[in-house]
Amino acid sequence: EAAVTQSPRNKVTVTGGNVTLSCRQTNSHNYMYWYRQDTGHGLRLIHYSYGAGNLQIGDVPDGYKATRTTQEDFFLLLELASPSQTSLYFCASSDQGNYAEQFFGPGTRLTVL
Amino acid sequence: QQKVQQSPESLSVPEGGMASFNCTSSDRNFQYFWWYRQHSGEGPKALMSIFSDGDKKEGRFTAHLNKASLHVSLHIRDSQPSDSALYFCAASDTGANTGKLTFGHGTILRVHP
Repeated sequence: EAAVTQSPRNKVTVTGGNVTLSCRQTNSHNYMYWYRQDTGHGLRLIHYSYGAGNLQIGDVPDGYKATRTTQEDFFLLLELASPSQTSLYFCASSDQGNYAEQFFGPGTRLTVL
Repeated sequence: QQKVQQSPESLSVPEGGMASFNCTSSDRNFQYFWWYRQHSGEGPKALMSIFSDGDKKEGRFTAHLNKASLHVSLHIRDSQPSDSALYFCAASDTGANTGKLTFGHGTILRVHP
C-alpha cells in the first residue's frame, strides 16, 4: 500500500506568518495533490502536480503556493497566513489519472491566530 | 454551486443494519465516481470506485451508478461499529485525464450497538 507522510502534524502560526507543509510519498506515484478539509465543505483541492517541476492549479488556490521538487516531495506554502487558512490539510498521491485510487496522508492541522 | 452533492448529512443505523448513502453530480462531465471513508483522526481511504452503469459489489459494500441521472449510491449491509466514519463521494472529469477529484461534503455514519 502507498505510503504518504506529512509534516508537521500540527502547526500554530500567527497572521502574516510564513508556513510550509511537507508531503512525501514513497511509492513512485506521478500525481500528488493538496487538499484542505473544513466542516461543511468536505475536501477541496488546492494544487496538484503531475511530476517533479509540474504544478497545476486546483479549485481553491488563492493564498497558497506549491512546489514539487522531486517525484517524492510536494510542498504547500502559505507566505502570508490568514485566519481563514485555519484548516486540516491533506496530501494525496496516485499512480495515474482518473482511474487511479488516491492515497492520503494523515493530515496536518494548521491554526492561524 | 456544489458539483457533487451528498445526502443525508448524517445517518444513524443499528449494528447489523443497512446504511445507505446518496450522491448526485450536477456536471455531465463527472462520470467516474469513488467512495472514500475517513475515520476520526485519519486521512480518507478509498472504499471503491464505480465507472459503469449498474451495481458493483465488494464484500458488504455495494455501489450503484446511474449515468443518465448522474446518481450514485453506496449501501453497507450488516453495518458494524467500525463502519462509523465520514463517507465521501468523489467524482472525476471523464474529459480530462487529470486524476483530479471533486468531493462532496460527506455523510457522517454512526453505527450504534
